Amino acid sequence: DTAVSQTPKYLVTQMGNDKSIKCEQNLGHDTMYWYKQDSKKFLKIMFSYNNKELIINETVPNRFSPKSPDKAHLNLHINSLELGDSAVYFCASSQGTSRYEQYFGPGTRLTVT
Amino acid sequence: DQQVKQNSPSLSVQEGRISILNCDYTNSMFDYFLWYKKYPAEGPTFLISISSIKDKNEDGRFTVFLNKSAKHLSLHIVPSQPGDSAVYFCAARSNTGNQFYFGTGTSLTVIP
Repeated sequence: DTAVSQTPKYLVTQMGNDKSIKCEQNLGHDTMYWYKQDSKKFLKIMFSYNNKELIINETVPNRFSPKSPDKAHLNLHINSLELGDSAVYFCASSQGTSRYEQYFGPGTRLTVT
Repeated sequence: DQQVKQNSPSLSVQEGRISILNCDYTNSMFDYFLWYKKYPAEGPTFLISISSIKDKNEDGRFTVFLNKSAKHLSLHIVPSQPGDSAVYFCAARSNTGNQFYFGTGTSLTVIP
């Protein structure tokens, strides 16, 4: 009964490839997020999304795109992977505009070679 | 530009004593602050939060203090337990655009 799940947990791929990371939450939350944690352990928000609005951190390259087939899922697609994309990616969800605590998935460690 | 800073990368405390983790921020538009705890190979877990209209929030052994004039918050854990050993992240929400900003974390070790 995992609240926020991500697949895969580990992803190793070559430069130039396109990959996706899936995220699902069973908490009934209406807002989902993607974060990137780099080698310096800096956790940085990439996207914030609910059924009304997508907020993109302006520093995120447009090679990254979130796709939400429904309220419980927010997948992350990455095109033309680069070495600098290697990081741990966390998905999270929250109740919405009145409750800000976020529930995080276990993370996906992406390694680009 | 890092808007939320945790200047102590690590902290060691004896079991039973108080742990104090500190966090500083620069953006006066932050309206909500949160602390998360993270174990290795897991995602962060929400611990406690505080609204910018308050200066203290307590939940069991955990208390968060907010000093808006100094743009500083701290997390107190009393008494500290070995199971508290983890990395603690401070986070802040900007009231413009539902953006969240995290510090780089403080690794707490509670020595039995």
